[in-house]
Amino acid sequence: GAVVSQHPSWVICKSGTSVKIECRSLDFQATTMFWYRQFPKQSLMLMATSNEGSKATYEQGVEKDKFLINHASLTLSTLTVTSAHPEDSSFYICSARNGRASNTGELFFGEGSRLTVL
Amino acid sequence: GENVEQHPSTLSVQEGDSAVIKCTYSDSASNYFPWYKQELGKRPQLIIDIRSNVGEKKDQRIAVTLNKTAKHFSLHITETQPEDSAVYFCAATGRDDKIIFGKGTRLHILP
Repeated sequence: GAVVSQHPSWVICKSGTSVKIECRSLDFQATTMFWYRQFPKQSLMLMATSNEGSKATYEQGVEKDKFLINHASLTLSTLTVTSAHPEDSSFYICSARNGRASNTGELFFGEGSRLTVL
Repeated sequence: GENVEQHPSTLSVQEGDSAVIKCTYSDSASNYFPWYKQELGKRPQLIIDIRSNVGEKKDQRIAVTLNKTAKHFSLHITETQPEDSAVYFCAATGRDDKIIFGKGTRLHILP
């Protein structure tokens, strides 16, 4: 199946700093990528939909100035957590559909990035 | 938007028995229903999916049923094995093409 790679897998940062997470589709083009956040023992909460070449669409309650998303190419989307605080500590997972599949095709997930803000 | 409810939140079954997880969705326009398995600290992995034009789909020990009228779908795992222990998420794709997940079911297979 298609491969989505996410980096870094683990990051620890100080409060107030910014952290960038990269999500790459390795063997397919993804015009749309999705960013999810998962707290321990909880579900995947959709944060935003990243669209190549245009602005991301954020879910209600997600601060777009806090979570900057850039989808500069068909294979790369980035999520930057700005001025991170301890409450931002979470597991962030990106996902993408194979562009050749139908809009309701399988969603492929990255490995996830565990962010810990001290 | 779409809302997905999943039950139970925790399920313990004896090895060899069957496990059933149920989900409901709210958006009648939803047409794709995947199930994901997530092991601790790992990414979710698709185990089976079903589209709205099909009522049932089976893949070895795993089956999914869909009732569009009632807007619910279920995951059935037969002859459960220790490696089936994980968290399972149902999901649905609404009219806005987003995949929305249920809250998950933690499945424990007892020896």
